[in-house]
Parts: sequence; C-alpha cells; structure tokens
Amino acid sequence: AQSVTQLGSHVSVSEGALVLLRCNYSSSVPPYLFWYVQYPNQGLQLLLKYTSAATLVKGINGFEAEFKKSETSFHLTKPSAHMSDAAEYFCAVSGSGNTPLVFGKGTRLSVIA
Amino acid sequence: DAEITQSPRHKITETGRQVTLACHQTWNHNNMFWYRQDLGHGLRLIHYSYGVQDTNKGEVSDGYSVSRSNTEDLPLTLESAASSQTSVYFCASSPGGGGRREQYFGPGTRLTVT
Repeated sequence: AQSVTQLGSHVSVSEGALVLLRCNYSSSVPPYLFWYVQYPNQGLQLLLKYTSAATLVKGINGFEAEFKKSETSFHLTKPSAHMSDAAEYFCAVSGSGNTPLVFGKGTRLSVIA
Repeated sequence: DAEITQSPRHKITETGRQVTLACHQTWNHNNMFWYRQDLGHGLRLIHYSYGVQDTNKGEVSDGYSVSRSNTEDLPLTLESAASSQTSVYFCASSPGGGGRREQYFGPGTRLTVT
C-alpha cells in the first residue's frame, strides 16, 4: 500500500523567497509521484509528475521537484515566490498497476508581500 | 477543448433525501474517480471506475453509490443524505496506468445537507 506525508499544513514565505514544500512517501513498489495545486474554489491542477525518468522534474509556473529514493522524498521547490503562488498544494503517490492516487493532506502556502 | 464538468456546482438538500451529483468528461478517459474534500482530511476517495460497467469502493464509500453506463459519465448518488456528507465533492479522470495515470479534476460540487 502507498501513503503520503506532507510536513507542515501551513507554510508562509516572503515574496521572492525560496518555496520548499515537503513530501515523503511510502511505497512497496517503484512509485509514480505527483504534485497538484488548488486555488480557492477550484479543482486540483497538475503541477508536475515523476514517472521513473529524470529524478528532477520541472513543472508549470516555475516549480520543480526532485525524487530521492534513499530519502523516500519528493519535495516541491520554487526559487522565488510570487503572490500568485498562494494556494493549497497536494502531493500524491501511485504504485504498480492501475491503483488510484493516494493524496497527502495538503500544505497551504501563504506568500507575504 | 476536452474537459471535465460537474453539476450542480452548489447544492443544498435535506437529511434523508436522495441526491445525485453529475460528472462528465470529454477526454474519453477509461478511469474516473470521486473524492470528497474536508478540512483536515485532504482528499478521500469515495468510488472509482476503470471502464464501463466497472465500479470499485474507495476508503469512504458508505452511503454512496456510482454506476458507469458509458465512458463519459460517472454520477455519484447519496442514497439518503446525512449531515456528515456535507462536503466539497470532486470528480476526476485519468487516461490509464503506467506513465499516464495523472488525474484531471473537475471544478467541484459544494453540497450542504441540512
């Protein structure tokens, strides 16, 4: 079975500062990993995905994530936060076969001017 | 453009009534999912389907049912609405397994049970 832990339910950064959102996963098989973003009153939007190719994955809006098997982590980063990055971010994992995604509980990102 | 839609976007109903939430996708995806989102719980899987006539229970399926009669639609039915089912409901679809299992989400339905 797969599981996801997102460290920190709320992260606050200053505009222009580094964004780091943490995600650790548990999987008995090589995982597929995803980051999603949710803006207020909207559905989830795919930011990026890891599917066993390059360990550093680049996504939309300047975000990227690095898969580290030894640390079972898939942290999301962005070099410089913008006010428009304020949203809820979800990490998700899927294992072998066609199993549904398992989502973390989410991290709310606030960006301070 | 292909999309996934949900209706209604907002619904208020009374305890004990049957409610059906619609989900329609035009990507021709085989896989469709229903989630509920509640503060502190993130997204929890209710039911999912891997194709026509296929349905599977998720982690919070009690009190909910789905049926899949075609590729495009997966309606979610609350048999007898309860206050504990007040939530935001999201439908999603995905192309399939392997490297194509990313899910695409609808805009959500906010359901209030009074």
